[in-house]
Amino acid sequence: KAGVTQTPRYLIKTRGQQVTLSCSPISGHRSVSWYQQTPGQGLQFLFEYFSETQRNKGNFPGRFSGRQFSNSRSEMNVSTLELGDSALYLCASSFLGGNQPQHFGDGTRLSIL
Amino acid sequence: AQSVTQLDSQVPVFEEAPVELRCNYSSSVSVYLFWYVQYPNQGLQLLLKYLSGSTLVKGINGFEAEFNKSQTSFHLRKPSVHISDTAEYFCAVIPNRGGSEKLVFGKGTKLTVNP
Repeated sequence: KAGVTQTPRYLIKTRGQQVTLSCSPISGHRSVSWYQQTPGQGLQFLFEYFSETQRNKGNFPGRFSGRQFSNSRSEMNVSTLELGDSALYLCASSFLGGNQPQHFGDGTRLSIL
Repeated sequence: AQSVTQLDSQVPVFEEAPVELRCNYSSSVSVYLFWYVQYPNQGLQLLLKYLSGSTLVKGINGFEAEFNKSQTSFHLRKPSVHISDTAEYFCAVIPNRGGSEKLVFGKGTKLTVNP
């Protein structure tokens, strides 16, 4: 069974640009969550999608958005990039979400110049 | 709201020594608890989880953890570590109410196993 796949693995952008990250969950999983990982703040929850609906949201500005498609694949978009957005972005999937164990992808490392 | 405190940011140990990584949590409701491991340039891998039942939980790679409700702790232990256990370890909690809940992580503990 294939794991959670995140693309691309690495990305370099400049301030003011926007970026889209992709996540393909484990087959059959309907919940996809996104996390930002930085050395200073650790792992912070961005949002969760379930059956194409955002079900939960963390404390991030509106520049961070996401969506989920009917096949459960999810994308995360960050607009007007700032230096502080440099981070590892992790996607996790589970069958139903909530308190079920989540399976993580290897992440997309985003660097802002 | 929930919070997780991992008491040690870095833990150096020698190979074949025992190790304990400490985790304390705060929550006004009952929670499920997890330990994840992150190797360099990789995502998080689930080591073990406590949902209910026996308070001693065994996970992969010889790790185990004990849930102590009165002390609100969930410490991770391994009796004899290997070089390959060098990684960062994260403790996480989630309310067991079901529905739309989110994982709350600790800041992580970097375990370095030296030869």
